[in-house]
Amino acid sequence: AQSVAQPEDQVNVAEGNPLTVKCTYSVSGNPYLFWYVQYPNRGLQFLLKYITGDNLVKGSYGFEAEFNKSQTSFHLKKPSALVSDSALYFCAVKSGEGSARQLTFGSGTQLTVLP
Amino acid sequence: EAQVTQNPRYLITVTGKKLTVTCSQNMNHEYMSWYRQDPGLGLRQIYYSMNVEVTDKGDVPEGYKVSRKEKRNFPLILESPSPNQTSLYFCASSLKPPGQGASYTQYFGPGTRLTVL
Repeated sequence: AQSVAQPEDQVNVAEGNPLTVKCTYSVSGNPYLFWYVQYPNRGLQFLLKYITGDNLVKGSYGFEAEFNKSQTSFHLKKPSALVSDSALYFCAVKSGEGSARQLTFGSGTQLTVLP
Repeated sequence: EAQVTQNPRYLITVTGKKLTVTCSQNMNHEYMSWYRQDPGLGLRQIYYSMNVEVTDKGDVPEGYKVSRKEKRNFPLILESPSPNQTSLYFCASSLKPPGQGASYTQYFGPGTRLTVL
């Protein structure tokens, strides 16, 4: 079974400060990891993914995430937060084993960037 | 414009009255899926489809049906809705199943907010 945990329901950060949204996962085999963002009254938008290769992945809107295999984590980061980054963020994982066909999503983290 | 559309966007219904939420994509994607989003639970997959006439259960399929007769359409059917199916529903599509291919990206529809009284 595969699972993903987002330990923080809510993250508040001041505009201009660095932000981190945490994600840990559990899968058999190598993980495929994803971050999505959901703005109010909108569907989810893809931000970035890790499949293989460099542990630091860069995505849309200046976001990046670091894959840490030993800690089974894939935290989302941004060096300088914007008020417009305020949204709901979802981490998702899929086992790299061929039989797995589904993404499992975390419960989401509400990010609020304060002006 | 590449997109996933869902209809209706909002629906209030009563227990037991059959309903269908439509989903359509214009990107010739093979993989489509339905999720429901509930507070504190994130997104949970209801059903997915690898291609035309190929569907499979996700994590929470009870009370739902789907069909995939055409590549572009993947309707979600609630034969006898119950209040515990009150939720926000998302349809999504991708060229291939999640994780396959370096260019993989899953596109989500705008959501359907369903209330079952």
